[in-house]
Amino acid sequence: DAKTTQPNSMESNEEEPVHLPCNHSTISGTDYIHWYRQLPSQGPEYVIHGLTSNVNNRMASLAIAEDRKSSTLILHRATLRDAAVYYCILSGNAGGTSYGKLTFGQGTILTVHP
Amino acid sequence: NAGVMQNPRHLVRRRGQEARLRCSPMKGHSHVYWYRQLPEEGLKFMVYLQKENIIDESGMPKERFSAEFPKEGPSILRIQQVVRGDSAAYFCASSPTDSYGYTFGSGTRLTVV
Repeated sequence: DAKTTQPNSMESNEEEPVHLPCNHSTISGTDYIHWYRQLPSQGPEYVIHGLTSNVNNRMASLAIAEDRKSSTLILHRATLRDAAVYYCILSGNAGGTSYGKLTFGQGTILTVHP
Repeated sequence: NAGVMQNPRHLVRRRGQEARLRCSPMKGHSHVYWYRQLPEEGLKFMVYLQKENIIDESGMPKERFSAEFPKEGPSILRIQQVVRGDSAAYFCASSPTDSYGYTFGSGTRLTVV
């Protein structure tokens, strides 16, 4: 499976933008980039996903580099409820693996200060 | 539109007993995935199922663990003769396709005593 690299932790202040980076230099052309987050004692929550173009939804924006070897999740105004572990995940048929399998790394622990 | 429903939320079993974890996917979702999260660790893929078929079970332990997704009813993850090392949070996810749109349930927290 193609791997992702994320910082272990990041901090932000409430109502400020947060940019969470992810490197995925071995991404293949058919891999989707997914972002999930997990709050304490809860299941992962879908945030956003994309393939090539930048994506926006009500939760966040996803900026994908032109060569697709990196991406950035952007939370436009962090709130205390955004404090969570954020996972950047690739899924696809790289190397013949199943599409339907998400490989979670350690993620980035986001701390939001009031 | 109900999300992915998992039950029970908490399950306590004595060593050697069987644990049965249930997952009802979102309406219209025919792809189901099970993940395990051991204490202080990340989520690990276990198995990917479609109705009546196991597509990828590369993350399932070779013994004591089995999964099914019958034509009718929820997906079941079954752990026979549980041991303390099986204590973990087990999450189920479903999706309408095999590429994206995964929705996770709240998990079942299994404690083996």
